[in-house]
Amino acid sequence: GENVEQHPSTLSVQEGDSAVIKCTYSDSASNYFPWYKQELGKRPQLIIDIRSNVGEKKDQRIAVTLNKTAKHFSLHITETQPEDSAVYFCAAHRGTGFQKLVFGTGTRLLVSP
Amino acid sequence: AAGVIQSPRHLIKEKRETATLKCYPIPRHDTVYWYQQGPGQDPQFLISFYEKMQSDKGSIPDRFSAQQFSDYHSELNMSSLELGDSALYFCASSLGSLAGGRDTQYFGPGTRLTVL
Repeated sequence: GENVEQHPSTLSVQEGDSAVIKCTYSDSASNYFPWYKQELGKRPQLIIDIRSNVGEKKDQRIAVTLNKTAKHFSLHITETQPEDSAVYFCAAHRGTGFQKLVFGTGTRLLVSP
Repeated sequence: AAGVIQSPRHLIKEKRETATLKCYPIPRHDTVYWYQQGPGQDPQFLISFYEKMQSDKGSIPDRFSAQQFSDYHSELNMSSLELGDSALYFCASSLGSLAGGRDTQYFGPGTRLTVL
């Protein structure tokens, strides 16, 4: 089955710096890769996603890149703000209906003012 | 926009008791997924349903069962509760019947189950 590895497990940055979180996956059939932000005790919230026919996608301060050959994808957050502090999960999915999400182990991002 | 609804939000049970968690998907969504998230862990897939039929099964204990009803809401039934069942239980929904962008899963607020 699919296995998703995520690094780093914790990331501390200063406000205004950039943050990068990296994930690798094992199942070559996976072709949909969402990123979720989760604040303590709350639901995972989708912040951006990318499909295998796209190499990069950007939404304001957030961007995701995908290297399907190497089976890795990354989340980039620029101009970080304290409210970006949360746990971020990457996930992989086969891209067809009914398929489960396989999550990475999460990255705790702390943005200090 | 309407979101996924879960009830109850908090539940406290004793060991060996039973619990029922409910999930109401986003309107027009036909697929429901259940995930279990322990403290400091990533969400783990339990089971999913499409059009009232089980569509996939993950690491769900035999003590747990689930179903999806004609109005697409789903219930997760948990029996013989153990201390290790204490966790956040999330339901997510998607429009699973169509691919190409309709598979995005949206999560409900979760049910925090505490087993004493």
